[in-house]
Amino acid sequence: AQKITQTQPGMFVQEKEAVTLDCTYDTSDPSYGLFWYKQPSSGEMIFLIYQGSYDQQNATEGRYSLNFQKARKSANLVISASQLGDSAMYFCAMRVLNQAGTALIFGKGTTLSVSS
Amino acid sequence: DAMVIQNPRYQVTQFGKPVTLSCSQTLNHNVMYWYQQKSSQAPKLLFHYYDKDFNNEADTPDNFQSRRPNTSFCFLDIRSPGLGDAAMYLCATSSGGVGTYEQYFGPGTRLTVT
Repeated sequence: AQKITQTQPGMFVQEKEAVTLDCTYDTSDPSYGLFWYKQPSSGEMIFLIYQGSYDQQNATEGRYSLNFQKARKSANLVISASQLGDSAMYFCAMRVLNQAGTALIFGKGTTLSVSS
Repeated sequence: DAMVIQNPRYQVTQFGKPVTLSCSQTLNHNVMYWYQQKSSQAPKLLFHYYDKDFNNEADTPDNFQSRRPNTSFCFLDIRSPGLGDAAMYLCATSSGGVGTYEQYFGPGTRLTVT
């Protein structure tokens, strides 16, 4: 079964510190993609970073990096130098192919709170 | 700026009264998705269009329908809303081509059913 697991309901970090949000996945497809989205209280989903299953290097986008460990089926998000504006819900998602086509399945999310 | 737009941002409807949520995009993407996100839960895909081809998820209730009259617009119709349909409804688009398949989300419509 294809599944995304985020085991941290909430994480707390101080400004300027780094934080790691955990994500593990399960799929039998050799080709897949992993995404991280940020959802502030306003509700919109903001794309942060993408990792393809065949990508040799870990993805990085500014302060965001993805620690991709294929053998362990994990795709943790690392946020360096946290800012107050990083406080939000973070979702890990996987691109899957189902009967209806291409879709994203999401984990349950992790709420990140950044304090000064 | 190219974007995904959802109107209205907040919608209140009465139990059993049909309601339509709209989504438009200026990205010229082939694929448009509708997700339902209940409070403190992950988004759940309801259905999507690849161009004019409609793809329904197996567990999407019949109460939910969708229309895509052209590339830019997609509508979500809830024929007889129940209290359990109160949620955030997110529209997303993707190019559908080979590559990242990144989905671009709109700001969502928060539906309240009274």
